[in-house]
Amino acid sequence: KQEVTQIPAALSVPEGENLVLNCSFTDSAIYNLQWFRQDPGKGLTSLLLIQSSQREQTSGRLNASLDKSSGRSTLYIAASQPGDSATYLCAVTALNAGKSTFGDGTTLTVKP
Amino acid sequence: EAQVTQNPRYLITVTGKKLTVTCSQNMNHEYMSWYRQDPGLGLRQIYYSMNVEVTDKGDVPEGYKVSRKEKRNFPLILESPSPNQTSLYFCASSTSGTGRGQPQHFGDGTRLSIL
Repeated sequence: KQEVTQIPAALSVPEGENLVLNCSFTDSAIYNLQWFRQDPGKGLTSLLLIQSSQREQTSGRLNASLDKSSGRSTLYIAASQPGDSATYLCAVTALNAGKSTFGDGTTLTVKP
Repeated sequence: EAQVTQNPRYLITVTGKKLTVTCSQNMNHEYMSWYRQDPGLGLRQIYYSMNVEVTDKGDVPEGYKVSRKEKRNFPLILESPSPNQTSLYFCASSTSGTGRGQPQHFGDGTRLSIL
């Protein structure tokens, strides 16, 4: 059974810092990995999706990498801002298509 | 506006009273899925549907039913709700027929309390 772990569970940084969030998964037989953002009381917003054949994806200040063989992904946030404060979740989709497993998330606080 | 719409957003009900949470998407997505989110347990998949009339179990399907009679709708049915089904529920959809290649879009959630 796939297990997804996110470290750290919580992170507090001053505004302007670059930071890295980590996601690891136990079964490397995945089709893709997706990073989401969740604000309190809200649904999930997709940030980046990496296909299993890709190594990284970039969107603005966000960069996500994938090392499928080692079962790891990182989300890099450059020049963090208070508006980046949220919970960040990673999810892997299985090769059998359709089945998704989520990590517990990293709660990020960016202090002005 | 492209969106996934869940109703109701909030519901308080009692044990054993059948209820349905509706989910509708206007993006012509083939793939739809239901999740529940609980403190300390994260987001867990209940059921998913690859296309009309095709559904499959996720990790926590017990106590739930789904149906996919048309592409846009994917209702979640609790035939006999129990307090352990108190949770925050999310519906999601994706453009790919396999759900593999495209990002999932989420609804705003349904907060369900069963007394």
